[in-house]
Amino acid sequence: GDSVTQMEGPVTLSEEAFLTINCTYTATGYPSLFWYVQYPGEGLQLLLKATKADDKGSNKGFEATYRKETTSFHLEKGSVQVSDSAVYFCALSEAYSGAGSYQLTFGKGTKLSVIP
Amino acid sequence: SAVISQKPSRDICQRGTSLTIQCQVDSQVTMMFWYRQQPGQSLTLIATANQGSEATYESGFVIDKFPISRPNLTFSTLTVSNMSPEDSSIYLCSVANTWTGGDEQYFGPGTRLTVT
Repeated sequence: GDSVTQMEGPVTLSEEAFLTINCTYTATGYPSLFWYVQYPGEGLQLLLKATKADDKGSNKGFEATYRKETTSFHLEKGSVQVSDSAVYFCALSEAYSGAGSYQLTFGKGTKLSVIP
Repeated sequence: SAVISQKPSRDICQRGTSLTIQCQVDSQVTMMFWYRQQPGQSLTLIATANQGSEATYESGFVIDKFPISRPNLTFSTLTVSNMSPEDSSIYLCSVANTWTGGDEQYFGPGTRLTVT
């Protein structure tokens, strides 16, 4: 079955540091890939997505590139801020890859804390 | 993206009782889902709420415990029945709109349930 593996947290960075959160996946078809962010006490927000190989999703300074050869979708940001402190979830969907399921498969989440 | 609201935002309930959670979307959507997020964990799909028919439950979740209604394209309810402390979680609804051709899901703010 499908699965998503994220780097274990928590991750603590100083403000303006470079962020990488690793994500790899296993899927039967060619999934869409997502990063969601959950701020304290809130629901999940879609941060970015990519639907095919070599696509780059970007939003709010965050980027992730769909790497089919390494089955990866690592999240990066060049300079983090205190306001980026949250839990980040990598996820995949096989809705349009032949499997036909809209179910999202999530990683376990990575908690990021940014200190001033 | 759709604006999704949930009621209640949080509740503390006694074991053996039931709680119904409402999910309202500001526009018609084709698909609605219910997830559970146990403390410090990732999201687990409970079921897909189907308009006008019985929900489709994932392995480990049953209708008697988590009855779901979806009377129209903008509203769904999830009931957590005969609650026990193990049901203490955040319950989130999400939506996807196949009419737009996208496969991303948008989440409500969640309902934080504590069972004593």
